[in-house]
Amino acid sequence: DAGVTQSPTHLIKTRGQQVTLRCSPKSGHDTVSWYQQALGQGPQFIFQYYEEEERQRGNFPDRFSGHQFPNYSSELNVNALWLGDSALYLCASSSLGSNQPQHFGDGTRLSIL
Amino acid sequence: QQQVKQSPQSLIVQKGGISIINCAYENTAFDYFPWYQQFPGKGPALLIAIRPDVSEKKEGRFTISFNKSAKQFSLHIMDSQPGDSATYFCAASKDYGGSQGNLIFGKGTKLSVKP
Repeated sequence: DAGVTQSPTHLIKTRGQQVTLRCSPKSGHDTVSWYQQALGQGPQFIFQYYEEEERQRGNFPDRFSGHQFPNYSSELNVNALWLGDSALYLCASSSLGSNQPQHFGDGTRLSIL
Repeated sequence: QQQVKQSPQSLIVQKGGISIINCAYENTAFDYFPWYQQFPGKGPALLIAIRPDVSEKKEGRFTISFNKSAKQFSLHIMDSQPGDSATYFCAASKDYGGSQGNLIFGKGTKLSVKP
């Protein structure tokens, strides 16, 4: 039973570029949440997708956008990258309303030069 | 405004000792309090979680103590082992189970267990 998988593992971009990160949820899960984890900090909630709609959003600018596909997989897009976007981006999946915890992937390490 | 405050930032414990990490929260609407363990290069993994109708929960060597009136909760790791060396995060959520996202994390505690 595969857990949450994220791709790519590492990514290097330059300022001003845009990036797309991908996430496949754990089997049986229908909800995907994205978090940003800066070095030495705890993860910060970006947004959550359910039924292909953004359901909740944290305090992130609209440069951060996402998408969920019919197979429940999800993408995180970040435009106009700047140095402060360098972080580990984590995807977590869950089954909405199940009262079961979110399961996290191992993240994508994004470095901005 | 940080809604979950975690201490200490780092902790060194001898093998066999007790590791204690503390968290305090501000929002009384929080009703789910998990602890996550994260190893370098890996995502956070759920260790143990508690809901506010319970004051203590134990799973193996890991115990959460919860004080609703003080808005504090703590993780105790008994008989700490070198394999427990990792970063630990407390978190809080308003959705009674955490499935609905928007976990608010503390800043983490780096635990080192010396042999």
